[in-house]
Amino acid sequence: GAGVSQSPSNKVTEKGKDVELRCDPISGHTALYWYRQSLGQGLEFLIYFQGNSAPDKSGLPSDRFSAERTGGSVSTLTIQRTQQEDSAVYLCASSSYVSGANVLTFGAGSRLTVL
Amino acid sequence: SQKIEQNSEALNIQEGKTATLTCNYTNYSPAYLQWYRQDPGRGPVFLLLIRENEKEKRKERLKVTFDTTLKQSLFHITASQPADSATYLCASNSNSGYALNFGKGTSLLVTP
Repeated sequence: GAGVSQSPSNKVTEKGKDVELRCDPISGHTALYWYRQSLGQGLEFLIYFQGNSAPDKSGLPSDRFSAERTGGSVSTLTIQRTQQEDSAVYLCASSSYVSGANVLTFGAGSRLTVL
Repeated sequence: SQKIEQNSEALNIQEGKTATLTCNYTNYSPAYLQWYRQDPGRGPVFLLLIRENEKEKRKERLKVTFDTTLKQSLFHITASQPADSATYLCASNSNSGYALNFGKGTSLLVTP
């Protein structure tokens, strides 16, 4: 597609439930990122996928968080047994190279509220 | 640890003036710095990139500088307009891995 698409745009869930967030990157972009943005905070890196390489999971805050990228395209971020501190906007981005650097194109985000 | 910091206080300026936002980094030497704009309810949008061997980059009313001695980047918007009101994020490559490190952003409000 023309841009990065994320769904759902809003998700309200109860503490302890599992949630799945989906990201459809720009066609042809081989790199995909997940970030988390909490109120008043900066973007927190979660995970990075590049082609068929093993993902960089160094930013995942706990083992309740996992992500997959199927067929080098669509990605799903799964949060198990959600906690209230998981409430945030989850942003997905795919990237292209500009002057030899990764430049990110972000989706609009999925706002997660855990009650 | 690697840190990238922006002035957390909101910047309020009058239309037509030049807005200057600051980004400082510590404990590493990024190969490049990027600036993004974020509007409420939306994801950040890329504006400009400047490499460590470049002193200055311009794009229309935007100008970015990179001072490796001061470990600082300045982002200028000349002839500011109310439509420039947004949060501006500074980002850099990490010395480890492929993640971009983002600052918390500076909120800019341009009043008529």
